[in-house]
Amino acid sequence: DTAVSQTPKYLVTQMGNDKSIKCEQNLGHDTMYWYKQDSKKFLKIMFSYNNKELIINETVPNRFSPKSPDKAHLNLHINSLELGDSAVYFCASSQGLAGSSWGGETQYFGPGTRLLVL
Amino acid sequence: QQQVKQSPQSLIVQKGGISIINCAYENTAFDYFPWYQQFPGKGPALLIAIRPDVSEKKEGRFTISFNKSAKQFSLHIMDSQPGDSATYFCAATGNTGFQKLVFGTGTRLLVSP
Repeated sequence: DTAVSQTPKYLVTQMGNDKSIKCEQNLGHDTMYWYKQDSKKFLKIMFSYNNKELIINETVPNRFSPKSPDKAHLNLHINSLELGDSAVYFCASSQGLAGSSWGGETQYFGPGTRLLVL
Repeated sequence: QQQVKQSPQSLIVQKGGISIINCAYENTAFDYFPWYQQFPGKGPALLIAIRPDVSEKKEGRFTISFNKSAKQFSLHIMDSQPGDSATYFCAATGNTGFQKLVFGTGTRLLVSP
């Protein structure tokens, strides 16, 4: 059973297109995240949702719009794709917020979506 | 103050050797320090974590050493194996409104046979 799943695994598209990435977790977690990993492997948080409420929005261009229809799903829609958006996008989930001192902050990552914008 | 500085950027170790990766932080409110391991083509996964009430935590061949006064922590991989070849990320967070993990820049470890 996959704990955190993402679709699609690969996404190749032209500049200017709009695309979506979907994420689902079956761990019963309350918090979900989107990360961007560039070619140098830097992991950068983009968004975080807790109980479907947006709690982190890290200076991401507004072409990126997350949507959480329920606690188990967090989707990422990207408008007007640019070359610089090429990266691996990871979804993650945790039982509680990062920083919760009771141990619920372990983040479980999905397998990633490799986005290439041509 | 939110940064976690990680070194080295890459590391080559012979099989059976000790791999050491170092991280340093500035924010004294950080109180949880996990290490994540990422294999090529996979997402990061929690490897081991420590809280500052102890100076060392060991799980199998993996040990975190923590120096609160120096604001540094390190990952030691004993008897390194080719299967340990991966990218390792240190991270930090705190329990006062942080809401996110602050990741280091990653270390690519290659263990040669």
